[in-house]
Amino acid sequence: GQNIDQPTEMTATEGAIVQINCTYQTSGFNGLFWYQQHAGEAPTFLSYNVLDGLEEKGRFSSFLSRSKGYSYLLLKELQMKDSASYLCAVRDSNYQLIWGAGTKLIIKP
Amino acid sequence: ETGVTQTPRHLVMGMTNKKSLKCEQHLGHNAMYWYKQSAKKPLELMFVYSLEERVENNSVPSRFSPECPNSSHLFLHLHTLQPEDSALYLCASSLGGETGGWEQFFGPGTRLTVL
Repeated sequence: GQNIDQPTEMTATEGAIVQINCTYQTSGFNGLFWYQQHAGEAPTFLSYNVLDGLEEKGRFSSFLSRSKGYSYLLLKELQMKDSASYLCAVRDSNYQLIWGAGTKLIIKP
Repeated sequence: ETGVTQTPRHLVMGMTNKKSLKCEQHLGHNAMYWYKQSAKKPLELMFVYSLEERVENNSVPSRFSPECPNSSHLFLHLHTLQPEDSALYLCASSLGGETGGWEQFFGPGTRLTVL
């Protein structure tokens, strides 16, 4: 079967760095997405990786290793507004998105 | 209006009611999606429309009936729902195609409660 694993919940301190991991087992691979979802709001697109390596976008970076079926989202200089759920999704060989259950990130002052 | 809009934002209905959820996208996209989001579970893809044709139907019960009259509008018709259908229903759109632009843009969702 197809599976996306990510931690259920993480806690970090304002101003610190946090890494949210995602491992996947899917039938084929055509890219990996990270989305942010604040409570009661729509998911919003953060990043897309299709080749191995690190993609940096301001305070957020996303890393992919296709051989390991692994990705992480790195958030630097954490702010209180970063408290949200972070969703990992992989596009499989049928170009369908397979979603993880999301990681709830709690930022403490 | 910009982006993806959904109405209503909240809906409470009895098991014998019939209601419809509406989604509209103002992004010029040609693919639209219905998702169900339940607490602490992955997003469940329900239906996909590409160029107004249904291309995906993930074994969704027939009490959910989608309609896509044009590339900007998507409906989800609901009838004789069950309490376990209570969830957040999200609509999304994307450019689609083979050359990328597949990131999906989501609407704010309809919080549905079935009594």
